[in-house]
Amino acid sequence: QKEVEQDPGPLSVPEGAIVSLNCTYSNSAFQYFMWYRQYSRKGPELLMYTYSSGNKEDGRFTAQVDKSSKYISLFIRDSQPSDSATYLCAMSTRTSYGKLTFGQGTILTVHP
Amino acid sequence: DAGVTQSPTHLIKTRGQQVTLRCSPISGHKSVSWYQQVLGQGPQFIFQYYEKEERGRGNFPDRFSARQFPNYSSELNVNALLLGDSALYLCASSLGAGRAIGNQPQHFGDGTRLSIL
Repeated sequence: QKEVEQDPGPLSVPEGAIVSLNCTYSNSAFQYFMWYRQYSRKGPELLMYTYSSGNKEDGRFTAQVDKSSKYISLFIRDSQPSDSATYLCAMSTRTSYGKLTFGQGTILTVHP
Repeated sequence: DAGVTQSPTHLIKTRGQQVTLRCSPISGHKSVSWYQQVLGQGPQFIFQYYEKEERGRGNFPDRFSARQFPNYSSELNVNALLLGDSALYLCASSLGAGRAIGNQPQHFGDGTRLSIL
């Protein structure tokens, strides 16, 4: 079993839709949770960074962490064609010296 | 401000050769991490260096090695290349990481795409 599981999709939605992306994990020591966006032939771009449980909002993006269920989510409101990319969840422990463990990535397409 | 820069952007090698990939972190960042991303998968952790010392190593063979220089730039070396080493190699930098300062967010470069023939 992988430490971090992420549905690879692909996910296709119409412009303006609310998108929900999810990851589950098995390592209860994970305390730092991130979402990255990766366009084709580019490196991952940091979207959201949260510590422990709770919600964090930044513009059209909301990240949720539920440590009791070992489940994290990223919501994208009013999705745009420019949001079409691969979304990666990543996690690390307090003592891992920054080692990130990634999910497989979800391919998202937002069509006009 | 310049982000993480990696060179070269593309590289083609043959089996058995050796390769060196380079990374310059964001100004002020002292931690550099290396990841391997195979097509269709998430990045896999290879190494982390902080203040020129190796602080973490992933599940990769000894053919993979790295170092960090006094200016915090870094090199990743891979010896005796195999077909399975074909991947996008990503470098990420952060202010630091560890018990004292916690895990700072990591910012990635656009990677070096390595193809092994």
